[in-house]
Amino acid sequence: DAGVTQSPTHLIKTRGQQVTLRCSPKSGHDTVSWYQQALGQGPQFIFQYYEEEERQRGNFPDRFSGHQFPNYSSELNVNALLLGDSALYLCASSPTSGVQETQYFGPGTRLLVL
Amino acid sequence: ELKVEQNPLFLSMQEGKNYTIYCNYSTTSDRLYWYRQDPGKSLESLFVLLSNGAVKQEGRLMASLDTKARLSTLHITAAVHDLSATYFCAVVKALNYGGSQGNLIFGKGTKLSVKP
Repeated sequence: DAGVTQSPTHLIKTRGQQVTLRCSPKSGHDTVSWYQQALGQGPQFIFQYYEEEERQRGNFPDRFSGHQFPNYSSELNVNALLLGDSALYLCASSPTSGVQETQYFGPGTRLLVL
Repeated sequence: ELKVEQNPLFLSMQEGKNYTIYCNYSTTSDRLYWYRQDPGKSLESLFVLLSNGAVKQEGRLMASLDTKARLSTLHITAAVHDLSATYFCAVVKALNYGGSQGNLIFGKGTKLSVKP
């Protein structure tokens, strides 16, 4: 079982650019959530995808958008990058059924905006 | 608004000592999670606590949940250097659709350093 995978591992962009991050969920998981973790902080929820639709959204601007594909993989897009977008972006997957299941996190993509 | 507070935020321990990390949350939640994060790494799931009075143990770590007090504790017994990491608690925000997995609201984390 490959677990949750994310790509790329690191990324450097400049202000105003756009970025796409990718996530493949753990086998058997159909729900994907994205989190942003700034340095020294806890992860903050961005949004959650299930059945190819955004189901829940945290307090993030519209510059943050996403997509889920039929194979349950997901993308996170950030437009018009700001310096404050520099963070570790974590993808977590979980099955729809199974209240006792935890959310499994991928290794993350570290984004640096210059 | 659901808020999660952890204390202490920083903890320096000597090997062999015991200590407890506290996690308070502001509104009702039916699940509480503990995660571990090593520097530069992702989050590793430690415990899922589902009901009042739940207690789970793994090695030198034991987690408990009191839903009435909205409090969870992570107790460290006879600490060893390998336990040095940042520990996060997280609670689930209720869903607005029919799925079973809500989004996690995290505390700020407790950075644990275990010294010889």
